[in-house]
Amino acid sequence: DVQMTQSPSTVSASVGDRVTITCRASQNINSWLAWYQQKPGKAPKLLIYKASTLESGVPSRFSGSGSGTGFTLTISSLQPDDFATYYCQQYSSYSKTFGQGTKVEIK
Amino acid sequence: EVQLVESGGGLVQPGGSLRLSCAASAFTFSNYAMSWVRQAPGKGLEWVSGISDSGSGTYYADSVKGRFSISRDNSKNTLSLQMNNLRAEDTAVYYCAKDYGSGGYFYHLDYWGQGTLVTVSS
Repeated sequence: DVQMTQSPSTVSASVGDRVTITCRASQNINSWLAWYQQKPGKAPKLLIYKASTLESGVPSRFSGSGSGTGFTLTISSLQPDDFATYYCQQYSSYSKTFGQGTKVEIK
Repeated sequence: EVQLVESGGGLVQPGGSLRLSCAASAFTFSNYAMSWVRQAPGKGLEWVSGISDSGSGTYYADSVKGRFSISRDNSKNTLSLQMNNLRAEDTAVYYCAKDYGSGGYFYHLDYWGQGTLVTVSS
């Protein structure tokens, strides 16, 4: 199975900061990667799919990049609504795998 | 608006069984693959199982293989997860999620339900 490793596990940042989260796959997954945002007590929300395609309605301050085994999620200017946990997920195989999550907290 | 509503969660003893259901609406259910994803208290997301649009293809995480069974009724727009021989480590919120994929393909998960809590404890 493909293993997904996210870093860092926690990011402390301020409103307006640029935040970058990294996700690494244990094998080549091409661009079959999605990013989700989850707030406490809520279901995850799709942000980005196919590594860099922004889901409809998601603010343009979110962007994704990468292919193969290395990927990044960038928030260009952190807003109060962005404090949450972010997960990457690969879907190159029938068995989807999530990263362990990155919590973005207020500095 | 796409809606996914899970039901069937609750408290069950170790070794027991439980059946989760997910009622789907506002999209053509039979055209899309579906998945179950769980989240243990205070932990991350874990994909549990997926099923193709027709129901002919089913897939499981190693942690539940042989104990859980996913199925769907396209005439009733319902997804199910039969969970047998439950263990304490199966305690989690279980989410039903719509896959973007159709025609036997699987992609990202574009819509999620609000989840149902399963607690396995004596």
